[in-house]
Amino acid sequence: EDQVTQSPEALRLQEGESSSLNCSYTVSGLRGLFWYRQDPGKGPEFLFTLYSAGEEKEKERLKATLTKKESFLHITAPKPEDSATYLCAGSYSGGGADGLTFGKGTHLIIQP
Amino acid sequence: NAGVTQTPKFRVLKTGQSMTLLCAQDMNHEYMYWYRQDPGMGLRLIHYSVGEGTTAKGEVPDGYNVSRLKKQNFLLGLESAAPSQTSVYFCASSYPTNEQFFGPGTRLTVL
Repeated sequence: EDQVTQSPEALRLQEGESSSLNCSYTVSGLRGLFWYRQDPGKGPEFLFTLYSAGEEKEKERLKATLTKKESFLHITAPKPEDSATYLCAGSYSGGGADGLTFGKGTHLIIQP
Repeated sequence: NAGVTQTPKFRVLKTGQSMTLLCAQDMNHEYMYWYRQDPGMGLRLIHYSVGEGTTAKGEVPDGYNVSRLKKQNFLLGLESAAPSQTSVYFCASSYPTNEQFFGPGTRLTVL
């Protein structure tokens, strides 16, 4: 069974305090690793796709990286508007036309 | 472009009632998906479609049926609702192998 596990479940930071969110995944059959942001009462919003170990992608204060067994979402000097739940998901071969296997998410709170 | 839209936004059903959730996308995507999101469980794939007229089962298909009569629409049906189907339902669409775009969700309560 394909698995995606995120840690921590929740993280509270002060504005400007950088940190990283972790996503560990089943390595066998992975075709792509996705990061989404979800605000309360809304659908997930796409952030990044990573395909191979060593790949990195950036968007404003966020940077996603991929190793052979984990992915990290680095948040640099976060602002209160970065508060959200961040979801990690894997796309696996044989997993139903790229249907994603999601982790449970990390609930991030940035305090002013 | 509206992206992915879902109808209705909220619904309350009694056990045994039926309903249909509608998903529409205007991005000409081939693939469409239905997920459910429950507290502490993450998003789980219910059914998906790789093109007009095709559907297939995902991880948690029991109690649901789907249809894709038109490329832009994907319908999720509950024939006899159960309290275990209380959840938030999300529709998504994509080109093959690309990122999925999600709708705003439908919050369903089954009493």
